[in-house]
Amino acid sequence: DSGVTQTPKHLITATGQRVTLRCSPRSGDLSVYWYQQSLDQGLQFLIQYYNGEERAKGNILERFSAQQFPDLHSELNLSSLELGDSALYFCASSVSGRVHEQYFGPGTRLTVT
Amino acid sequence: DQQVKQNSPSLSVQEGRISILNCDYTNSMFDYFLWYKKYPAEGPTFLISISSIKDKNEDGRFTVFLNKSAKHLSLHIVPSQPGDSAVYFCAASAMQGGSEKLVFGKGMKLTVNP
Repeated sequence: DSGVTQTPKHLITATGQRVTLRCSPRSGDLSVYWYQQSLDQGLQFLIQYYNGEERAKGNILERFSAQQFPDLHSELNLSSLELGDSALYFCASSVSGRVHEQYFGPGTRLTVT
Repeated sequence: DQQVKQNSPSLSVQEGRISILNCDYTNSMFDYFLWYKKYPAEGPTFLISISSIKDKNEDGRFTVFLNKSAKHLSLHIVPSQPGDSAVYFCAASAMQGGSEKLVFGKGMKLTVNP
């Protein structure tokens, strides 16, 4: 158990819908990262927050957005969902914001039908 | 453009033998390399890393070798155990635009047979 929690574990929704994925970092970790893993792909970095502020952006679509709240939990919002958005979405956290020290949550599996 | 490549999707070895997992990269700006292990229904867990200023790092049964001139790194597991069966991801980091990002390979499934 990494100490990073993600909810829900599974999510099935229809095209065009909007969903919110939630992540609670390890106690004391200030930084949260979001990754997407599509079928047969490696993890693609989406976005990083550090202590409530956006720190780095990766291959995140404009239909996706994220935020980190004062209690340091983070939410990833996915809207106008398409079939290709079906993937595993991982959250990771680190205390310092260094990528070398990330701990990953178990992921949320999103299925868009 | 895939900057980190794990060209073999799977590897099967016998318990007790050596497992060698390979990874190639294209971006010479990468300064840190990591290996993650992932079991089904779990997130990746950090295994071992190496800085670009080193060519070898060892941690118990796990050793990572870095060949910068060839832009190649490998993970050696000796001796391999059935519990090592998992998907292994190679990752590399570099500072880009003032921030640090991890780039992952697609992963390789290792099966260690008893």
